[in-house]
Amino acid sequence: DAGITQSPRYKITETGRQVTLMCHQTWSHSYMFWYRQDLGHGLRLIYYSAAADITDKGEVPDGYVVSRSKTENFPLTLESATRSQTSVYFCASSTPGQGKETQYFGPGTRLLVL
Amino acid sequence: SQQGEEDPQALSIQEGENATMNCSYKTSINNLQWYRQNSGRGLVHLILIRSNEREKHSGRLRVTLDTSKKSSSLLITASRAADTASYFCATGPGANSKLTFGKGITLSVRP
Repeated sequence: DAGITQSPRYKITETGRQVTLMCHQTWSHSYMFWYRQDLGHGLRLIYYSAAADITDKGEVPDGYVVSRSKTENFPLTLESATRSQTSVYFCASSTPGQGKETQYFGPGTRLLVL
Repeated sequence: SQQGEEDPQALSIQEGENATMNCSYKTSINNLQWYRQNSGRGLVHLILIRSNEREKHSGRLRVTLDTSKKSSSLLITASRAADTASYFCATGPGANSKLTFGKGITLSVRP
């Protein structure tokens, strides 16, 4: 049972480049989330998705794009990376309802933008 | 903006002691959850308490919720060195599964 995986685990890129972070879950959870974690800010929600082809903005969506063509995948794209997007990115999934509001997190992607 | 605010920001205790961490929030909630994050890893769910519950136990964990004060506490009894981690509270409105996380508490358990 692979659970939820993220790739790459580490990424170094340069300002202005496009970067895509991948997230894949094997549980068929309907909801998926992208967070960024920065010192002093905790976890902040970037985007989330309630189902395939349904996405919505979170707290800090600027500079990011998401898509969800398949239930199991939820890629996050930085269209033109900036130094302020240096962070650790976490993907999570959940199946709400029936008492299952718990979120399951991937291992994270550490992104450094030079 | 953060919904949950944990207190203290950092806690250092001796192995075997109890650790108490607090979380306050601002708006009405459907549930409150606590997560643990070991260094360099993703968050792991510990326990969920609903707005109509006052106390919940899971192993060495005890969570209380006071909706009148908009606060929760997480108690870890008989702490172990392996409990060293960051702990986050997260509040959920219930409608769309979104959670709002606090900034976290760093717990160090000295052997």
